Amino acid sequence: SSELTQDPAVSVALGQTVRITCQGDSLRSYLASWYQQKPGQAPLLVIYGKNNRPSGISDRFSGSSSGNTVSLTIAGAQAEDEADYYCNSRDSSGNSVVFGGGTKLTVL
Amino acid sequence: QLQLQESGPGLVRPSETLSLTCTVSGVSITSRSSYWGWIRQPPGKALEWIGSIYYSGSTSFNPSLKSRVTIFLDTPKNQFSLKLNSVTAADTAVYYCARQPVGPTMADAFDVWGQGAMVIVSS
Repeated sequence: SSELTQDPAVSVALGQTVRITCQGDSLRSYLASWYQQKPGQAPLLVIYGKNNRPSGISDRFSGSSSGNTVSLTIAGAQAEDEADYYCNSRDSSGNSVVFGGGTKLTVL
Repeated sequence: QLQLQESGPGLVRPSETLSLTCTVSGVSITSRSSYWGWIRQPPGKALEWIGSIYYSGSTSFNPSLKSRVTIFLDTPKNQFSLKLNSVTAADTAVYYCARQPVGPTMADAFDVWGQGAMVIVSS
């Protein structure tokens, strides 16, 4: 099991705002990043660090952190946002990179 | 424009060695601003970090795979490679190579990924 815990599945109504969370003790010390992965595609970095978006990523995506939890918020969810979302950071030793178990987002 | 492309056999026999190469175009793998990593994803499962290498040849590995993994650079060809020995069916996965920019704000992010290479372990 991963040191970063994500809810397996989350749903959101079209146009509404959704928050996807990632929990782990290491997140008290290390920054995290978020990826979107659609079926058959490589992951796409959407948020890194405190709240940084790579070029080309919609400003509907934002990140936040509190204690041992980091969150990815998608404002005004669109059909094209339906995907798996993964967080990543360091493990509790700080020596290894870890990924969360992923959250499948369904846009209703 | 930075691009990464995985290549290697799609079928490996159990107990043998899985070998994959990532060809990087658009930036030198000797750049001090990047690590280069391997990540895998078994069918229907989550991403798993395998390991990363720096321009100096310094490496770090997932503890669960460390005893079986080698990652090395081929700087004249601007490539880096993965070897995973003693494979079993549990190593069947899509294998991705990716860039991991250096920096205090980068959060160990992988910002550019290859398309992935499916490797099946089967006799």
